[in-house]
Amino acid sequence: DTGVSQDPRHKITKRGQNVTFRCDPISEHNRLYWYRQTLGQGPEFLTYFQNEAQLEKSRLLSDRFSAERPKGSFSTLEIQRTEQGDSAMYLCASSSERVGYTFGSGTRLTVV
Amino acid sequence: KNQVEQSPQSLIILEGKNCTLQCNYTVSPFSNLRWYKQDTGRGPVSLTIMTFSENTKSNGRYTATLDADTKQSSLHITASQLSDSASYICVVRGSGFGNEKLTFGTGTRLTIIP
Repeated sequence: DTGVSQDPRHKITKRGQNVTFRCDPISEHNRLYWYRQTLGQGPEFLTYFQNEAQLEKSRLLSDRFSAERPKGSFSTLEIQRTEQGDSAMYLCASSSERVGYTFGSGTRLTVV
Repeated sequence: KNQVEQSPQSLIILEGKNCTLQCNYTVSPFSNLRWYKQDTGRGPVSLTIMTFSENTKSNGRYTATLDADTKQSSLHITASQLSDSASYICVVRGSGFGNEKLTFGTGTRLTIIP
């Protein structure tokens, strides 16, 4: 296990299209987080899973955004009807009770 | 509201020089503080993690300090190298139910010039 994997690394989509990102956490980590980061800013919290349960969602996560972690392992983040303002880096991180956060390399979304 | 403020916003120094980055936070109760290095277009990579009982922690040329009383931390980089050019993000984790998520600073953009 080499860390947190995110796929794809880059995604360019037309406005109005749906996109889905995947995150594979470190296998023994039961917690998984999604963050969004725009240029020159720190990451902003979107949502958090403990195992398969989605325990917290930010108000940033509009109804066009949905995240799942069906088996408590990998997670997907879907954005429906993308808007140009959705262009950002989407970061996934995982952790366990005792071990701190490890981030993936992110998915860079560009909405044109 | 939990906040993390970093200074300076950006910094340019000559290769081989030292520098210190600052982080002030209001997160309470406090669990731990991390410094991350983020290269352009990449995810953050952890440099150090400090709990309230730790004052200083080193990782190679990086030394972090923490004063939990004044809620301040610093990251000192010694003998800077061109590869140190990156954003350095201070991240604080709260403790207690409903307060455990991370609060990120906006980062210090460090540029090392030859």
